[in-house]
Amino acid sequence: QKEVEQNSGPLSVPEGAIASLNCTYSDRGSQSFFWYRQYSGKSPELIMSIYSNGDKEDGRFTAQLNKASQYVSLLIRDSQPSDSATYLCAPPGNTGKLIFGQGTTLQVKP
Amino acid sequence: DTGVSQDPRHKITKRGQNVTFRCDPISEHNRLYWYRQTLGQGPEFLTYFQNEAQLEKSRLLSDRFSAERPKGSFSTLEIQRTEQGDSAMYLCASSFPGSNQPQHFGDGTRLSIL
Repeated sequence: QKEVEQNSGPLSVPEGAIASLNCTYSDRGSQSFFWYRQYSGKSPELIMSIYSNGDKEDGRFTAQLNKASQYVSLLIRDSQPSDSATYLCAPPGNTGKLIFGQGTTLQVKP
Repeated sequence: DTGVSQDPRHKITKRGQNVTFRCDPISEHNRLYWYRQTLGQGPEFLTYFQNEAQLEKSRLLSDRFSAERPKGSFSTLEIQRTEQGDSAMYLCASSFPGSNQPQHFGDGTRLSIL
C-alpha cells in the first residue's frame, strides 16, 4: 500500500460547481496535512493546512480531516477555470519531510 | 519575504557531466529540503537540513548525489556523472523547524540530460 493515495483523475467539473478531492494515507501517526496546488510546469504552492479532525475553511477552500478513517479531503466551492491544476496531498513524516501522493488533476470547464 | 530562490531554472547537460544547483531559503527558515519530481508524479523527498546539519537522506539519494549547507543559509545539490534517469525537476523548500510547519517551495530547477 502506498503511503498516500490520490485518484490521479482528471477530475472534470463545470465552472461554478464544487470540486471534491480526496486523499487517504497509511501512517496513523500523521498529525497534520498540507494541500498544495501545482500548475503545469510550476512548483507546488501551499493552499491549505489542517491539523485537527473536522473542517477548516479558507475562502472557497475547505479541508476536511478524519484521522480515524485516515482520510483527508479538499473541497473547492464555486470552481473557476483558474483552479485547473494538480492538487497534492502531503502529510509530513516524523522528521518533517513531506510525503506526497501522485496528485489529482482538476479541470474546470467554462 | 523574498521567497525561496533556486538557480538555475533550467539546466541541460550531457550524460556523464556533473551539475550543481543552488537554493536560497526564506531567511527566517532554518530547515531546508530537497525533493525531486518527475512527470506525472508527486515530489519525492531527497534530503533535508536543519541549519548546517544534514539530518536525513532518502534511499533515492545515490552516492552520485551530494548536498551541502555549509553556513546554514543557502544549500547546493550536486549530481556527479549524470544519467538519463536524473532528468527531473529538482525542488527546494524551506520551513521553520517542526513536522507541523508548512514548507514553501522555490520555482525549481529543471534538469534535462541529453
